[in-house]
Amino acid sequence: GAVVSQHPSRVICKSGTSVKIECRSLDFQATTMFWYRQFPKQSLMLMATSNEGSKATYEQGVEKDKFLINHASLTLSTLTVTSAHPEDSSFYICSATLGLGNEQFFGPGTRLTVL
Amino acid sequence: KNQVEQSPQSLIILEGKNCTLQCNYTVSPFSNLRWYKQDTGRGPVSLTIMTFSENTKSNGRYTATLDADTKQSSLHITASQLSDSASYICVVSPNFGNEKLTFGTGTRLTIIP
Repeated sequence: GAVVSQHPSRVICKSGTSVKIECRSLDFQATTMFWYRQFPKQSLMLMATSNEGSKATYEQGVEKDKFLINHASLTLSTLTVTSAHPEDSSFYICSATLGLGNEQFFGPGTRLTVL
Repeated sequence: KNQVEQSPQSLIILEGKNCTLQCNYTVSPFSNLRWYKQDTGRGPVSLTIMTFSENTKSNGRYTATLDADTKQSSLHITASQLSDSASYICVVSPNFGNEKLTFGTGTRLTIIP
């Protein structure tokens, strides 16, 4: 199967700082990438859909100015959590797909802890 | 509202035993149903994927079934191993062109020696 990586795997930051998380498709070109958030013992919640070269589409309730998404190439999407607060502490997972109707391949996730 | 419900929420079984996890969904229109395994602190890994016309799909010791009429699916694990300890998530995909997946809350499976 296709491989999706995320970096970093774990990050701890102080409240008020910004954190960038990278999502890369290692062996295929991903026209679409998705960003999810998962709180303990809960299912994955879609935050936004990112298409290469265009603005991300955010789900209702997700602040686009707080969670900045950039999909500059077919193999890289970044999620920046701006002015992070303790309530932003969560497990962030990205997925990538070749396009409509194709399977989503998930990254290993990034554990964000905001102190 | 599209929903995917899984049961049980958690399950503990002895190594070597079999178990079956359940998934009921109300997603419509329906394209396919997938079972994922998610280890703690890791992203989901696909186990099986079935379209509405498929009744069963196997992947090693994992066998998934689908009844599109009753909108139920199950994941059967045979001869469980300690490495099977993980969360198992049922995910339903709507029709082609709509990529928003509906995730179940998962079943936390623990295998004890």
